[in-house]
Amino acid sequence: EVQLLESGGGLVQPGGSLRLSCAASGFTFSSYAMNWVRQAPGKGLEWVSAISGGGGSIYYADSVQGRFTISRDNSKNTLYLQMNSLRAEDTAVYYCARVSPARIEYWGQGTLVTVSS
Amino acid sequence: EIVLTQSPGTLSLSPGERATLSCRASQNVSSSYLAWYQQKPGQAPRLLIYGTSSRATGIPDRFSGSGSGTDFTLTISRLEPEDFAVYYCQQYGSSPRYTFGQGTKLEIK
Repeated sequence: EVQLLESGGGLVQPGGSLRLSCAASGFTFSSYAMNWVRQAPGKGLEWVSAISGGGGSIYYADSVQGRFTISRDNSKNTLYLQMNSLRAEDTAVYYCARVSPARIEYWGQGTLVTVSS
Repeated sequence: EIVLTQSPGTLSLSPGERATLSCRASQNVSSSYLAWYQQKPGQAPRLLIYGTSSRATGIPDRFSGSGSGTDFTLTISRLEPEDFAVYYCQQYGSSPRYTFGQGTKLEIK
């Protein structure tokens, strides 16, 4: 059974940093591209970042480019999102997601990030 | 950047009725790259349909997808109580990699 378990969310002040983790199990982690997708309170879904199975291809939404860094450790079956220079508009539930071609097949339960003073 | 516009914003129907949800793209989308998700309150989204019309694993056959070019449709043939939720369409592209519609809320009438 595919399982994705996010951690690392919490309350952070504007301008601060936070690192999210996603522990994956139930599949060969290194064989799959992974994404981060977020959802602001009461709002829709917004794709944040993607990384290929080997980590060699990385993509970001314009809204986080230069502030967020996606990475993965295939030896630990773990996906990361380093978030710097956080803003109030980054407040959201952040989902870790496993992708298959052109679709997001599995989602974690999400971790809430709140950016507020 | 392709923009996806879903309509209606809210759809009020009764169990047993047929639901038709629309997703319109600002540019042509490859049929292989259009998917639909269901999200219930407090839960993560769930993949329903991919490649415009292929059902994901475990999805009942009352859910179907169709369309091409810029117009895509999710149809629920006969609504069950558990189908009332928010539905999102999504397209896959080069930049950004994934774009979502704003969602359609399917509520009980």
